Amino acid sequence: QVQLQESGPGLVKPSQTLSLTCTVSGGSISSGSYYWSWIRQPAGKGLEWIGRVYTSGSTNYNPSLKSRVTISVDTSKNQFSLKLSSVTAADTAVYYCARQGYWFDSWGQGTLVTVSS
Amino acid sequence: EIVLTQSPATLSLSPGERATLSCRASQSVSSYLAWYQQKPGQAPRLLIYDASNRATGIPARFSGSGSGTDFTLTISSLEPEDFAVYYCQQRINWLFTFGPGTKVDFK
Repeated sequence: QVQLQESGPGLVKPSQTLSLTCTVSGGSISSGSYYWSWIRQPAGKGLEWIGRVYTSGSTNYNPSLKSRVTISVDTSKNQFSLKLSSVTAADTAVYYCARQGYWFDSWGQGTLVTVSS
Repeated sequence: EIVLTQSPATLSLSPGERATLSCRASQSVSSYLAWYQQKPGQAPRLLIYDASNRATGIPARFSGSGSGTDFTLTISSLEPEDFAVYYCQQRINWLFTFGPGTKVDFK
């Protein structure tokens, strides 16, 4: 059974770039017809889809974040990554990585990223 | 962007009772709707996909129905572990959106 694990700094300064990596285990990131997504959740609030990457490298981004987001995949490491630039306090959230066939069927445990000086 | 609204925001029930949760889309999403359960400190878990299909390992007390713009998640008899927040999500296009959630808590 595939497992996903987020990693990266838990504290980022305003105006800097948030960088997270999701490591996939229990299966190859290249196998099957899956997209690999990032989703975030501010404390006490709902879920926001950030964007996704296919193993070919093709991406889709939420238009509300598109100008600041880059999602990439490294199939040799079985990882995919998120970069969110020019962060503000509004970007403070738990960030999840997830596997998406048609639906988000496997999720990482989530990692809290706080934007603060 | 398709906006999903969920009602009620909070549902206060007792174990053994039936829970009925609603999700409404701002435009038709056909049957491309899923339900997720989230417990405190945990990631969401896929319960129902394509409006009415249970995901792997999901108990039969969970059922989904609806199409177009109106959808329902029913929990036939609440177990203690079912008290959680439930989100709906659509995938009619690649701009995936979630509803604000319904919290099912103890009466």
